Amino acid sequence: GQQVMQIPQYQHVQEGEDFTTYCNSSTTLSNIQWYKQRPGGHPVFLIQLVKSGEVKKQKRLTFQFGEAKKNSSLHITATQTTDVGTYFCAGQVYAGGTSYGKLTFGQGTILTVHP
Amino acid sequence: DGGITQSPKYLFRKEGQNVTLSCEQNLNHDAMYWYRQDPGQGLRLIYYSQIVNDFQKGDIAEGYSVSREKKESFPLTVTSAQKNPTAFYLCASIGRLASGNEQFFGPGTRLTVL
Repeated sequence: GQQVMQIPQYQHVQEGEDFTTYCNSSTTLSNIQWYKQRPGGHPVFLIQLVKSGEVKKQKRLTFQFGEAKKNSSLHITATQTTDVGTYFCAGQVYAGGTSYGKLTFGQGTILTVHP
Repeated sequence: DGGITQSPKYLFRKEGQNVTLSCEQNLNHDAMYWYRQDPGQGLRLIYYSQIVNDFQKGDIAEGYSVSREKKESFPLTVTSAQKNPTAFYLCASIGRLASGNEQFFGPGTRLTVL
């Protein structure tokens, strides 16, 4: 079945350093989504990428979708303590018609930011 | 306020007992999903439902059952057949494709089997 691998599993940075997490899918995706989960909380949607080679930015966050639509990355510039949490990618392959299909989540990257 | 509610937030059960976790949404979303999250791991799909009265098994459906009698509700039963039920359970819903397919998550239920 479809698998989404995410690395690294953990990342510890000093405040102000950059951070990147990577996702690779075993199959070509229709889209990829990114979520953030704060400690003790639930995942919250950040963004969706649909087009091959797409790059989107949200303030200090940059999201990329690979040309083959099988990999993606999230880069945070100049991390802050508010960035702490687990970042998940989730790949989706449309089942066709009106079906929503399902998301396959990566294992997540736990980000710790030291002040 | 529109959103997804899950109850209870914490749940304790004795080994061998069935337990049902509630999930309700007032977002008028068609599709609903149940995930399980274990410490330090990603979300694994248990069951999902695209429309009322229909649902499909996810990747780890064994030991679980669901029903979808109403659009707003998608309860999950953790049966005694589930060998390792202690986990954080998350319910999510998704709207029509035209409005995007962002998943909205409920706050989760933390189940502990004693």
